[in-house]
Amino acid sequence: GAVVSQHPSRVICKSGTSVKIECRSLDFQATTMFWYRQFPKQSLMLMATSNEGSKATYEQGVEKDKFLINHASLTLSTLTVTSAHPEDSSFYICSASRQGVNNEQFFGPGTRLTVL
Amino acid sequence: GNSVTQMEGPVTLSEEAFLTINCTYTATGYPSLFWYVQYPGEGLQLLLKATKADDKGSNKGFEATYRKETTSFHLEKGSVQVSDSAVYFCALSSAQGAQKLVFGQGTRLTINP
Repeated sequence: GAVVSQHPSRVICKSGTSVKIECRSLDFQATTMFWYRQFPKQSLMLMATSNEGSKATYEQGVEKDKFLINHASLTLSTLTVTSAHPEDSSFYICSASRQGVNNEQFFGPGTRLTVL
Repeated sequence: GNSVTQMEGPVTLSEEAFLTINCTYTATGYPSLFWYVQYPGEGLQLLLKATKADDKGSNKGFEATYRKETTSFHLEKGSVQVSDSAVYFCALSSAQGAQKLVFGQGTRLTINP
């Protein structure tokens, strides 16, 4: 149990376009979802925290108008990278947690974004 | 602010060798400490955790003890296997922001047969 999926697993897009990444909890209801960014050989950096039905809380330095997060249901959160540029190329990872399980986060496999 | 520093990799060992991956942290209050493992092509999985000083987390032969006096949470395994090859992340969550995880930079471990 507690499986989290991400789609797509990798995406290549042209500069200036927008890209949507989906994060789904497959077998549980996720009250909170998190989005992380991971640069090569570096740690995961938390970008934002989202609770179902409310606006996401962004970490300092993360542009909320560039990284749009929607958590419309208890099993789905989306991250849209708007007007993507090469510097947005990275590995994006989501995680989900559910109430009553010590707040443990379950991680998706990640999405590799390459902006040309 | 809170931070985690872990041993730089990559680390390469032979099968059945003893493993230590160092992790130290800086945090206010009494954080919970975690080790996550990321196998190739997969998401991060919780390996073990400890929520208070002197607690020992253990799983799959791995152990780590929460040492408040040295602000450390070193990961150890007595005899590694090829299947342990992965990237290991040390992380903490503060008492105040229980769901926010702060990660170390990760240590890539390769075990040769």
